Amino acid sequence: DTEVTQTPKHLVMGMTNKKSLKCEQHMGHRAMYWYKQKAKKPPELMFVYSYEKLSINESVPSRFSPECPNSSLLNLHLHALQPEDSALYLCASSQDILQRNEKLFFGSGTQLSVL
Amino acid sequence: DAKTTQPPSMDCAEGRAANLPCNHSTISGNEYVYWYRQIHSQGPQYIIHGLKNNETNEMASLIITEDRKSSTLILPHATLRDTAVYYCIVRVAVIKAAGNKLTFGGGTRVLVKP
Repeated sequence: DTEVTQTPKHLVMGMTNKKSLKCEQHMGHRAMYWYKQKAKKPPELMFVYSYEKLSINESVPSRFSPECPNSSLLNLHLHALQPEDSALYLCASSQDILQRNEKLFFGSGTQLSVL
Repeated sequence: DAKTTQPPSMDCAEGRAANLPCNHSTISGNEYVYWYRQIHSQGPQYIIHGLKNNETNEMASLIITEDRKSSTLILPHATLRDTAVYYCIVRVAVIKAAGNKLTFGGGTRVLVKP
């Protein structure tokens, strides 16, 4: 199984809503990532988790709250988002953050629209 | 990580080889060159990576110049399914404390035509 599964595939939410994005992998990977991608732009790193601990936060606003309940799961909790937060949110995993020949495996993403 | 420069777009004919250039003139000795691609409505997909030597796998070949300041990704027989945005990324081989940061540049939008 070399898949990273993200749910939901599409999400529409209002600015006062609270929602969560979910990501799951069963490859035994110990590093997981959230990226944000605006239309026709490259993905931008948001967060990195290593062994279930937050390793990198790229100065992401607090309305985005990541959580890694175990090594297979990664959540992104959303609250009080703005319309400019509408984007494709991509989850990725890798075997370990510190290995020399690291490859990232990406999910297909959640397309988020904030109204 | 070193910055990369890629042409914004290119077309290639189905069945022909596609040669995708990447310039990374500020690359350091311990930085790898990675290539990923992103097909529409999907997440990025790893293609290949290398440090100094040329590399080949089932998807593509990577040719790195001797001075390592540029590289070329070769798709030997392009198909319509190879239409995608191709990203060339330079990354430090080992990052002790900062974690594995893969930073995407603008990429090349490749259109394979029948």
